[in-house]
Amino acid sequence: GENVEQHPSTLSVQEGDSAVIKCTYSDSASNYFPWYKQELGKGPQLIIDIRSNVGEKKDQRIAVTLNKTAKHFSLHITETQPEDSAVYFCAASKVDKIIFGKGTRLHILP
Amino acid sequence: EAGVTQFPSHSVIEKGQTVTLRCDPISGHDNLYWYRRVMGKEIKFLLHFVKESKQDESGMPNNRFLAERTGGTYSTLKVQPAELEDSGVYFCASSHLGRRNTEAFFGQGTRLTVV
Repeated sequence: GENVEQHPSTLSVQEGDSAVIKCTYSDSASNYFPWYKQELGKGPQLIIDIRSNVGEKKDQRIAVTLNKTAKHFSLHITETQPEDSAVYFCAASKVDKIIFGKGTRLHILP
Repeated sequence: EAGVTQFPSHSVIEKGQTVTLRCDPISGHDNLYWYRRVMGKEIKFLLHFVKESKQDESGMPNNRFLAERTGGTYSTLKVQPAELEDSGVYFCASSHLGRRNTEAFFGQGTRLTVV
C-alpha cells in the first residue's frame, strides 16, 4: 500500500545551522509533495510544497528537493531560528488523498 | 476568512461511551478530510468527503466510527462505543475541489482521550 517514510524522528541543531529532513514514498503515481509544520496546540500548516514536474523549490530559508526516480524528497532549512522548533511532516499525494510521514521533531538549540 | 474549526478541542471519555467530533471546513471547500494521529505515529488518513459524498473511507478503522457530512457543509465523526486505542488527535482538513492537488488546510485538532 501507499507509504511514506520520514527520517530522522528527532533532530537537534544549533541555532543558525541547517536542518535536513528526508522522506521516501512508495507510490510512483504520487505527484504532489507538501510539507507541514505543526506547532504545539495547533494543526499542521503547509510551509512549502513541490509537484512532480519540478526538482527543486525554494522559499526564503526553506527549500525542497524531489528525486522522482529514487522516490526521495527532502526539506532543507537554512539559518535556523528558535521559531523553527516544531514537528515537521512530509507527505505524498495523488489526486486528493494525502499520505503523511511519521513526523520529525526539530529542536533548535540556543 | 475563518479557517477550519474543530470542536471540541479536548474530550475525555470513558471506554464504552460515545463521542461526536465536529468539523467546520472553510466555506466553499468541497473536499473534507478526517485524519488521526496516535501518539508518536504518523497522521493517518481516515476518510474523504467530496461535498456530502464519501469519496474514500478506506482509512476508517472499524464500524465503531461513523462520519457524516449532511448538506455538504460541516462534518461529524462519531465513535461508538469508544475503546482505549481510539485515543489520539483527530484532525479535519478541507480544500478546494479540482483536478490538481490543492492545499489542504487543517483545523487545530480534537484531542480524544479514552480512559
